[in-house]
Amino acid sequence: EVQLVESGGGLVQPGGSLRLSCKASGFTFDRYAMHWVRQAPGRGLEWVSGIRYDSYSTGFADSVMGRFAISRDNAKNSLYLEMNSLRPEDTALYYCAKATRSHYDFWRSPLDPWGQGVLVIVSS
Amino acid sequence: DIQMTQSPSSLSASVGDRITITCQASQDITNYLNWYQQRPGKAPKLLIFDASNLETGVSSRFSGSGSGTHFTFTISSLQPEDIATYYCQQFDNLPLTFGGGTRVEIK
Repeated sequence: EVQLVESGGGLVQPGGSLRLSCKASGFTFDRYAMHWVRQAPGRGLEWVSGIRYDSYSTGFADSVMGRFAISRDNAKNSLYLEMNSLRPEDTALYYCAKATRSHYDFWRSPLDPWGQGVLVIVSS
Repeated sequence: DIQMTQSPSSLSASVGDRITITCQASQDITNYLNWYQQRPGKAPKLLIFDASNLETGVSSRFSGSGSGTHFTFTISSLQPEDIATYYCQQFDNLPLTFGGGTRVEIK
C-alpha cells in the first residue's frame, strides 16, 4: 500500500522558517515525481511545488518562488519543502502528493495518493 | 497561468439525482484535466484522469468528458457518501492549477 506521511509543521512567526518532510513507502520512490499542494483554512487547493523523480527539474507557484525550496532524497524515500520568509498567507494544510505516472515533464501526471497533510500556522 | 473556472461553487441535490459540474480552462489544455474528490476532513482523492478516464477502484457513477477548454464531471446517481467538494485540475503546464471547487450536499 502506498503511504505518504508528512511531518514538520507547526506555529512559526512571520519571517521565520520551517522544513516539511514527507516519508514515502509502498512504491519505488525514485521513479515518480512528487508535489506539495496546500489548502488554507476553508479554502481551495493550491499547488505549491513539484520535483522530478531525479531532482533534475523543479517548479514553484509564483506565490512561493524565491522563498520555498523543494528537494528529495531518493535513498531515504523522502520529500522535503524548505520554507523561508514565511507570511501569514502561507498558513495552510500542506499535502504531499505522488505523481501517478513517471514522465519526463514532471508536471504531466495526475496526483494520487495524497498524504494526510501537515498544518503550518504563520502568526505572531 | 492557466485559470480554471469551475461551476457551480455549490449545489444541493437529492439522493439518486444526476449532477453535473463544469470546468472551463482559460486556454486549450487538450485532455490534461483531472477531477478530485475531497471529503470533509480528508485528503483529496483522484477520481477521473485525462478528462474522461475512471481511476481504478472508483465507482462507475462518476464520469468525465470534454477536451480543449470545456470539461464536465457527472455523478449519475448521487449517493450519501458522495458528500464532498470536487475539484478540477489542469496539468498541461506549470503552474498546476485547480478550479475553485464545487461543494456537493444532499437536499
